Amino acid sequence: DIQMTQSPSSLSASVGDRVTITCRASQDISHYLAWYQQKPGKVPKVLMYAASTLYSGVPSRFSGSGSGTDFTLTISSLQPEDVATYYCQKYNSDPRTFGQGTKVEI
Amino acid sequence: EVQLLESGGDLVQPGGSLRLSCAASGFTFSSYAMNWVRQAPGKGLECVSSISGSGGTTYYADSVKGRFTISRDNSKNTLYLQMKSLRAEDSAVYFCAKDSRNEPGGTFESWGQGTLVTVSS
Repeated sequence: DIQMTQSPSSLSASVGDRVTITCRASQDISHYLAWYQQKPGKVPKVLMYAASTLYSGVPSRFSGSGSGTDFTLTISSLQPEDVATYYCQKYNSDPRTFGQGTKVEI
Repeated sequence: EVQLLESGGDLVQPGGSLRLSCAASGFTFSSYAMNWVRQAPGKGLECVSSISGSGGTTYYADSVKGRFTISRDNSKNTLYLQMKSLRAEDSAVYFCAKDSRNEPGGTFESWGQGTLVTVSS
C-alpha cells in the first residue's frame, strides 16, 4: 500500500504568515492528491483535489502544488479561522490513505 | 444541500456487534459511492470501507476485513456498516462520507457529523 507522510506534524505561525505543509507519497500517485481541513471539534472538510484544484467556496489564500510523490499545501496569509489539522489523502484507488495530519496553530 | 446523518454508535463489549446507519438526503444517493471513515480519539483519519453506487463493489481496510460488512439500501437512501467481533482498537468516531464518484476512488466530498463507537468492558 502507498504511504502518505506529512511534515511538519505541527506548526505555529502568526496571522498573516505564509504557511507551507508538505505531503510525500511512497509511490507515484500522479496528481491524485486531496487536502482536507479539520477544525477543532468539527468534521473534516475537503479543500482541494487533483493536487491544486480548489473546491467551491474555499478561500483563494489556499493553494496546492505538486505531482508524482511530492506535494505542498500553502496558506498565503494565515487567518485565525485557519487553525485546524490538515490532512493529505491519495485517491483514485483504494486504500485511499491519509497522511498523519499537520496541526496549524497561531 | 447534502445531509448525512449517522446513528447507531454505542458502548459495546469486546467481541460484540453493532450496526451503524447513515441516512442521506439532498442528492441522488444511488449515483454516488459511499464511505465509512473513522477517527480514534486524538488520532488521524482512516477509511475503513467503501461501496459503489449500485452496491456491487466494496472495499475494506485490512484492519476490518472479515469483521465489518458495508451495505446500502438505495430505496431508503441509507448506508449501513455491520460491525462484529469488535475490538478496543475499533473505538472511534465513525463518519459517513459521500464519494465524488459512482465507484469508490474519489474524494470525500461531504461528511456526516459522526457517531461514536466505544469498545470496552
